[in-house]
Amino acid sequence: GIQVEQSPPDLILQEGANSTLRCNFSDSVNNLQWFHQNPWGQLINLFYIPSGTKQNGRLSATTVATERYSLLYISSSQTTDSGVYFCAVEDRGSNYQLIWGAGTKLIIKP
Amino acid sequence: GAGVSQTPSNKVTEKGKYVELRCDPISGHTALYWYRQSLGQGPEFLIYFQGTGAADDSGLPNDRFFAVRPEGSVSTLKIQRTERGDSAVYLCASSPGTGSDTQYFGPGTRLTVL
Repeated sequence: GIQVEQSPPDLILQEGANSTLRCNFSDSVNNLQWFHQNPWGQLINLFYIPSGTKQNGRLSATTVATERYSLLYISSSQTTDSGVYFCAVEDRGSNYQLIWGAGTKLIIKP
Repeated sequence: GAGVSQTPSNKVTEKGKYVELRCDPISGHTALYWYRQSLGQGPEFLIYFQGTGAADDSGLPNDRFFAVRPEGSVSTLKIQRTERGDSAVYLCASSPGTGSDTQYFGPGTRLTVL
């Protein structure tokens, strides 16, 4: 089945810094989503982005489907950005189930 | 109106017992998914419903796990003869359509099997 790899596994930054999180996937996908899991465990959709670039406030994402990767950019980090960021892809043969990466754990220090 | 809700938020049970976990999707969402998340890992797909029917149950680990969605809205995940390895957070998600779509997650049920 399709493999999803995220990097880095852990990231510690000072408040105000910028960061780039990466997601590589091993095969063609129907869609790709980025999620933020807060320290209380709630998963929040950030982007639905099978291709192209989207922006939402301080966050933006780019997916290059032909090269099988996606990037999540966080600018001017705040402590509330802390948590785990997951990339999840829908395998074309999978009947809409999401295949998840292991996540990037982000800690923003005040 | 509200998002996906799940009950209970926490469930502690003894090995060998039966448990039921409930998911209320966003009103009007036809697709419903169950996932399981172990500590330090990403969620793992269990089952997908489209309406009342299980369109894909390939992620259920064994026949102790079963899920229903009798009226196409609320879903119940049922686990028989629980084992310590079943301990995890069980997540439910829903999406509006019949195709590839954004999935919206509930807060999860943390299951602990002693």
